[in-house]
Amino acid sequence: KAGVTQTPRYLIKTRGQQVTLSCSPISGHRSVSWYQQTPGQGLQFLFEYFSETQRNKGNFPGRFSGRQFSNSRSEMNVSTLELGDSALYLCATALGSGGPDTQYFGPGTRLTVL
Amino acid sequence: AQKVTQAQTEISVVEKEDVTLDCVYETRDTTYYLFWYKQPPSGELVFLIRRNSFDEQNEISGRYSWNFQKSTSSFNFTITASQVVDSAVYFCALSGGYGGSQGNLIFGKGTKLSVKP
Repeated sequence: KAGVTQTPRYLIKTRGQQVTLSCSPISGHRSVSWYQQTPGQGLQFLFEYFSETQRNKGNFPGRFSGRQFSNSRSEMNVSTLELGDSALYLCATALGSGGPDTQYFGPGTRLTVL
Repeated sequence: AQKVTQAQTEISVVEKEDVTLDCVYETRDTTYYLFWYKQPPSGELVFLIRRNSFDEQNEISGRYSWNFQKSTSSFNFTITASQVVDSAVYFCALSGGYGGSQGNLIFGKGTKLSVKP
């Protein structure tokens, strides 16, 4: 079974630009969560999508948004990039069925904002 | 509020030593899940174990073992006879026990383990 894939793996942007990251889940997984990892703040939850609806949201500004498509693939968008947005962005997918669940992570997208 | 504390920031051991990584959690939920993930230098988080709040049995998987104690809100991870390939950052995480609440993992800050030959 193929794992979680994220594209692109590396991205360099400048302040003020916007960026879109993509995540394709493991087959059968309907829940997609996004996390930001920085040396200072560690791993922080951004949001979770299930059946094309945002089910949970972390404490991030509105510049961070996401969506999920009918095939469960998800994208997250960051608008008006700031230097502090430089981070590893990890996507995790799970069955999302409501029973005991485990999130499986992709390799991440490393975003550098100059 | 939910919280996970990994007090050990870095640990360095010599190959074949046993090492225990500590994890203490806080939650008001009666049903919850605890996890350990490994993050090698490549960056991808690798799932190691999930434990639910009603199952306090310790678990052993090869050289890895986990000790869950609800009385002390701890979920510690021991590597026996460590190997260089065990070098990584290890994260303990907590989630709620119901459908939507499982989609939000609360992570500790991680423990960087270095195993020297």
